[in-house]
Amino acid sequence: NAGVTQTPKFRILKIGQSMTLQCTQDMNHNYMYWYRQDPGMGLKLIYYSVGAGITDKGEVPNGYNVSRSTTEDFPLRLELAAPSQTSVYFCASSSPVGVSQPQHFGDGTRLSIL
Amino acid sequence: AQKITQTQPGMFVQEKEAVTLDCTYDTSDPSYGLFWYKQPSSGEMIFLIYQGSYDQQNATEGRYSLNFQKARKSANLVISASQLGDSAMYFCAMREGGSGGGADGLTFGKGTHLIIQP
Repeated sequence: NAGVTQTPKFRILKIGQSMTLQCTQDMNHNYMYWYRQDPGMGLKLIYYSVGAGITDKGEVPNGYNVSRSTTEDFPLRLELAAPSQTSVYFCASSSPVGVSQPQHFGDGTRLSIL
Repeated sequence: AQKITQTQPGMFVQEKEAVTLDCTYDTSDPSYGLFWYKQPSSGEMIFLIYQGSYDQQNATEGRYSLNFQKARKSANLVISASQLGDSAMYFCAMREGGSGGGADGLTFGKGTHLIIQP
């Protein structure tokens, strides 16, 4: 069972470059999420989506964009990368049944901006 | 104000002992869920246990149990008979019902680094 798959696993970017972090899930989950985890901290929500065509901002959306054209895919785009975006990025998904459903996480993308 | 507070940055525990990881939360939403995740050094997030705000009994999953004290707004994770493989970061997280019915993401605490010593 693949679950939530993130690519790439590691990436180094130069300041000002752009890139897209890919996330796909095969559990037919409507809800998908992007988090970032800074060293020694918990995860913070960047963006989320409740279904294809619907996205919304989380706690730390500045510098990022998302799209959701299919149920399976939820890419995260970094425009004009900055050193403050150095972090580990996690994609997650869950089924839409109230508060009880756990979120299933991908293995993360470790991103360094130099 | 922080919504999830984990007051133990790090803990050292002897193998086979029980360990309690503290978590307090803050919400005015009557419908919410509390989750614990384990993050080993390899980095992945592993779901351990869930407790709903309306649940009458404490949740249990194998060696994991949740000491849920609703009036105190605490949801402590108890690991019985700790093993070396339990060494990891542990995160408490909350999902509020709100107007979105739980669609908004999880709010995480800063975590507790648990080290099990032989």
